[in-house]
Amino acid sequence: DAGVIQSPRHEVTEMGQEVTLRCKPISGHNSLFWYRQTMMRGLELLIYFNNNVPIDDSGMPEDRFSAKMPNASFSTLKIQPSEPRDSAVYFCASSLQGAGDEAFFGQGTRLTVV
Amino acid sequence: AQRVTQPEKLLSVFKGAPVELKCNYSYSGSPELFWYVQYSRQRLQLLLRHISRESIKGFTADLNKGETSFHLKKPFAQEEDSAMYYCALKRGGYNKLIFGAGTRLAVHP
Repeated sequence: DAGVIQSPRHEVTEMGQEVTLRCKPISGHNSLFWYRQTMMRGLELLIYFNNNVPIDDSGMPEDRFSAKMPNASFSTLKIQPSEPRDSAVYFCASSLQGAGDEAFFGQGTRLTVV
Repeated sequence: AQRVTQPEKLLSVFKGAPVELKCNYSYSGSPELFWYVQYSRQRLQLLLRHISRESIKGFTADLNKGETSFHLKKPFAQEEDSAMYYCALKRGGYNKLIFGAGTRLAVHP
């Protein structure tokens, strides 16, 4: 398995544009997480899904952010409209729910909004 | 609410010196605690988990429920230990995994 796959690796966009980040979790995993990493706040949990259902989206900053998981092998995080303060590295991770189960991370998408 | 606090953004030590990366948590139930590490140009990966009570790459961490802490320790730091370290917490029976802000460990020769 190639692990968690995220695309694109880098994204530069202009303020006001829509941005879509993509994630393919590890096959067989039933939990998927989206995190945002910044120097100031570290690694913040935005949303997590269990069996394709959003369980907790309390970390989603505002209505400009939305996430979907249409099936067990694909998830998207969308920002519309994007703003410069959204610039960060966005990570997707997946795991198999159970005691002590490890979360496996993708390589991240570095988003720059200018 | 669950919260993980890592008070130090940067810890700088010399090779061979002892290392302690601090982690405190707030959660009233039975938590599961983890340390994750991100080496330069690599993915964030699990280093160790408290339920395994293991030593990985010379690192250990003990869960202290009285002090609500899960500090990461290594008696003799190596240059290859330089990385970003994140403490993480998961509620027992619930898969939500939250992280602290991270501590960058820099080990100098």
